[in-house]
Amino acid sequence: DQQVKQNSPSLSVQEGRISILNCDYTNSMFDYFLWYKKYPAEGPTFLISISSIKDKNEDGRFTVFLNKSAKHLSLHIVPSQPGDSAVYFCAASGGSGGSNYKLTFGKGTLLTVNP
Amino acid sequence: DAGITQSPRYKITETGRQVTLMCHQTWSHSYMFWYRQDLGHGLRLIYYSAAADITDKGEVPDGYVVSRSKTENFPLTLESATRSQTSVYFCASSYYNEQFFGPGTRLTVL
Repeated sequence: DQQVKQNSPSLSVQEGRISILNCDYTNSMFDYFLWYKKYPAEGPTFLISISSIKDKNEDGRFTVFLNKSAKHLSLHIVPSQPGDSAVYFCAASGGSGGSNYKLTFGKGTLLTVNP
Repeated sequence: DAGITQSPRYKITETGRQVTLMCHQTWSHSYMFWYRQDLGHGLRLIYYSAAADITDKGEVPDGYVVSRSKTENFPLTLESATRSQTSVYFCASSYYNEQFFGPGTRLTVL
């Protein structure tokens, strides 16, 4: 049972436009959400996160929105740049004790930003 | 060098052989994790460790063994490699929710 879903395997946008990557989750115990970016032949790198007590978190060109009632989060990249082309993973954590530090990942969305 | 390192970066082995993938971190993070990345599956947790000598299974532990005698090291062993274990393996460490990943090991089992 997939608890974190990224239903779009790929997304293509033009440079300068907005990229919106979506993520849905099913486990209501999740209380912290993260986005990771991954380039080929490299490990994932942390991009931005949001706690369930917030509905928005912004860091430069990157903004994450959380809709708890819909169990949905999205990552907005504005403006998109060719260097943003990568696989983006949505991840969630939550629960009690040590399981707070385990992350459940979605399958990823390949973003391509065209010049 | 500071950070998290994995070795080897590439490995080719044969079915039935034992293989150990190494992971080393210099941050003294309590938590360490092993994932595998496969097409169509994203990142799946194999094993994790909350501290030295404390390990637990993740989503896909079968066929793998871990140990953690020192905080900074978290080796992953495939006791008898199978073709289905051909994958890219990532090690990660964390002190809280944010995990820091190593560069990965690409393992091919022939």
